[in-house]
Amino acid sequence: GPKVLQIPSHQIIDMGQMVTLNCDPVSNHLYFYWYKQILGQQMEFLVNFYNGKVMEKSKLFKDQFSVERPDGSYFTLKIQPTALEDSAVYFCASSPPGTNTEVFFGKGTRLTVV
Amino acid sequence: SQWGEENLQALSIQEGEDVTMNCSYKTYTTVVHWYRQDSGRGPALIILIRSNEREKRSGRLRATLDTSSQSSSLSITAAQCEDTAVYFCATANTGYQNFYFGKGTSLTVIP
Repeated sequence: GPKVLQIPSHQIIDMGQMVTLNCDPVSNHLYFYWYKQILGQQMEFLVNFYNGKVMEKSKLFKDQFSVERPDGSYFTLKIQPTALEDSAVYFCASSPPGTNTEVFFGKGTRLTVV
Repeated sequence: SQWGEENLQALSIQEGEDVTMNCSYKTYTTVVHWYRQDSGRGPALIILIRSNEREKRSGRLRATLDTSSQSSSLSITAAQCEDTAVYFCATANTGYQNFYFGKGTSLTVIP
């Protein structure tokens, strides 16, 4: 079935450094999402993205966060600078238009800020 | 917050038993998605129920939706060990094409 690919699967970074998480969404999908999950806890919505723009972002989407999808390539989440509390698994997802459709998730990138 | 009473909970049952997981939500939605998340993986959709449906079945899964009480349930009949996972419900914000997840239920099926 359709797959969302996330690269890398695990990243360790020093606090204060910049990190970019990459996502290759399903090819014909138009909506893209990032979610944050701390181990054993809820999937928390961060941001969604359509037609080159952020549609909605949550309070968790701090000023240090940014998203883009340059030239229809990877959908990226950039954190600059990183903080210890940014340590979590970040899931990328994509979907076609409409809320009666499935949202496809990647396997996640585990970010560890040290 | 989109969510009302649902809290992350852990359920442990014996293989062959039936189990029901509940979620309630606070804001309007036209659809409830139920996802399962296996350890180390992203969530995957298992059943979707629309606001004009009161019940939806898929194999051993049964979802219900009560829009008047803003609640949904997911039942698994004759649970098997491979049903062990975390189950989330999600509601949709059609205006923003967005999906909000509840806290989930960690289900363990013991052989």
